[in-house]
Amino acid sequence: DIQMTQSPSTLSASVGDRVTLTCRASQSISSWLAWYQQKSGKAPKLLIYKASSLESGVPSRFSGSGSGTDFTLTISSLQPDDFATYYCQQYNTYSTWTFGQGTKVEIK
Amino acid sequence: EVQLVESGGALVQPGGSLRLSCAASGFTLSSYWMSWVRQAPGKGLEWVANIKQDGSEKYYEDSVKGRFSISRDNAKNSLYLQMNSLRAEDTAVYYCARVYYDFWSGYYPQHWGQGTLVTVSS
Repeated sequence: DIQMTQSPSTLSASVGDRVTLTCRASQSISSWLAWYQQKSGKAPKLLIYKASSLESGVPSRFSGSGSGTDFTLTISSLQPDDFATYYCQQYNTYSTWTFGQGTKVEIK
Repeated sequence: EVQLVESGGALVQPGGSLRLSCAASGFTLSSYWMSWVRQAPGKGLEWVANIKQDGSEKYYEDSVKGRFSISRDNAKNSLYLQMNSLRAEDTAVYYCARVYYDFWSGYYPQHWGQGTLVTVSS
């Protein structure tokens, strides 16, 4: 099974900061990776699919990159609404998916 | 507007059974793969199961194989998760999700419901 590892587990940052979250797969998943944002008590929200494609309606300050085993989610200028937990997810096949353990972005 | 509304969550004893439902609206259910994803209290997301548009293919996470069953009724615009032999570790919020697919983008959960809480405890 493919394992997904996110780092850091928690990230403290200030409004306006550029932040980068990392996700690593235990084997190559090409570009079959999505990123989600989840706020407390709410459903996850899709941000990025196929590693770098921005979901419709998602602000352009969010961007994704990477392929193979190493991926990043970057928020170019952190906004108050962005404090949340972020998950990566591999979808290399439709028969089994795996999520990372999440990165919590908190106010510094 | 795509809407997914889960129901059926409850407190159930270990070894018991529960059936979750997901009511879909705003789109044609029969055109999409669907999925269940769960989240234990204070923990991360965990994929549970996927089902093809016509129900002919179903896939499960290893820990639920043989205990959970995903199904759908496209005529009723509904997705289901039958959960048997429930364990304390099955305690979680269960989300249904509509899966997006195209050849270039692949399969991934795009739209999510708000979830329903299942608590397994004596």
